[in-house]
Amino acid sequence: DAGITQSPRHKVTETGTPVTLRCHQTENHRYMYWYRQDPGHGLRLIHYSYGVKDTDKGEVSDGYSVSRSKTEDFLLTLESATSSQTSVYFCAISEGPRPTGNTIYFGEGSWLTVV
Amino acid sequence: GENVEQHPSTLSVQEGDSAVIKCTYSDSASNYFPWYKQELGKGPQLIIDIRSNVGEKKDQRIAVTLNKTAKHFSLHITETQPEDSAVYFCAASIRGTNAGKSTFGDGTTLTVKP
Repeated sequence: DAGITQSPRHKVTETGTPVTLRCHQTENHRYMYWYRQDPGHGLRLIHYSYGVKDTDKGEVSDGYSVSRSKTEDFLLTLESATSSQTSVYFCAISEGPRPTGNTIYFGEGSWLTVV
Repeated sequence: GENVEQHPSTLSVQEGDSAVIKCTYSDSASNYFPWYKQELGKGPQLIIDIRSNVGEKKDQRIAVTLNKTAKHFSLHITETQPEDSAVYFCAASIRGTNAGKSTFGDGTTLTVKP
C-alpha cells in the first residue's frame, strides 16, 4: 500500500465551522490531490498540488482551499463548512506525468459530516 | 472535456461466474485507462491498466480490453469469488499529463453471491 495517511478519518462538524483535513505521504511523490466521493458522482477532483506551494483548482473547488508547505503534507480546508460538503474525502498521490501512464494512489478516506 | 460513462451501476453474479463492466469515453486523445477497486471503507486501489497501443491485458482472473475505434474499454473478471465484491471504477486520461486530469466513471458495485 502507498504510504498515505489521512487525518482525521471521521469527523462531525457544525455548519459554518472551519474544518481542515490533513494528508501525509511517505512516498516523496510530487503530485498530491484531494477528491471527494459522493453517491452518483464518482470521484471528483477538488484541488491538486504539483509541488511545494504550487496548487491548482479541480472541477469542484468552490468552498475549499488547500496548502502544501512540505512535500509530504497537503491540507484541505473548508473555511465555513456547509451540509453540501458532507462527503468522503480522499487524498491521492502520483509521481507526476509519465509517458507510461498516470497511476494515482489513494489514501483510506476521511468521512466528513456537516450538521 | 473528457466524459466517461460506466455501466452497469450495479452487478450481481453467482460465485464462479464471470463479470463484465464496460466504460465508454469521449475524448479520442485519451490513451491510458486504469481500473480501480474500492473495498468497503477503503480508498480505491489500482488493479489493472491498459494503454491505447494494446488491445487486451490480463492479470490472472482479471482482464481489460480496449476498442479504440468504438471508444470503449471493459473489465472482465472470471471465476468470481466473494472477495471480488467491491466498487469498481474506470478512468481515462492522457499519458504524460497530470494524473489529476483523469476522468473517472461513476463506479459499479459488484456483488458476488456465495
